[in-house]
Amino acid sequence: SYELTQPPSVSVSPGQTARITCSGDALPKQYAFWYQQKPGQAPVMLIYKDSERPSGIPERFSGSSSGTTVTLTISGVQAEDEADYYCQSADNSGSWVFGGGTKLTVL
Amino acid sequence: EVQLVESGGGLVQPGGSLRLSCAASGFTFSNFDMYWIRQGKGRSLEWVSSIATAGDPYYPGSMKGRFTISRDNANNSLYLQMNSLRAGDTAVYYCARGGNGLDYWGQGTLVTVSS
Repeated sequence: SYELTQPPSVSVSPGQTARITCSGDALPKQYAFWYQQKPGQAPVMLIYKDSERPSGIPERFSGSSSGTTVTLTISGVQAEDEADYYCQSADNSGSWVFGGGTKLTVL
Repeated sequence: EVQLVESGGGLVQPGGSLRLSCAASGFTFSNFDMYWIRQGKGRSLEWVSSIATAGDPYYPGSMKGRFTISRDNANNSLYLQMNSLRAGDTAVYYCARGGNGLDYWGQGTLVTVSS
């Protein structure tokens, strides 16, 4: 079955830039979406269609795509950004898939 | 304000059934695809089912035959009928709106399958 691969964890100091990658063979043909989830809360969409940011999401969150990898970039990381981050896309049959998630630790 | 409120979760024995509901408000429900997403404890998110505005249902292969999604546009409600439940179905089940991506989520309802 189709998989999206994320690093299990990323650590960064406050004010620095965090980059979380997501790899999948179908990503050149399918849009990617990114979600943030804090403990005990529902996920929140950060990025849609690879790089679009919904209203209300801070500008420090951005998305990009290159080949089979999409990247969520968090510029000027803040303590409140410590959370789990999930990418989501679809396989070539249209079935939705989520990545395994990346735990962002703010040192 | 968009709100999605799930209900119907609880403890059920293996082989049993549950029907989850999601009450939607704050938007024109009939204009949006709707989704059920689940998350086991300490695990990632998993697409369970989705339903288009016209009522066409979609399932991943692993859910076909046991789960049935439906919607009632007149009452702004989404449902998930779950049959033949297994321990592996234990999870928090979220209802989500399909805008550009899953742009609004409910707080989830916990389903525990155990004897």
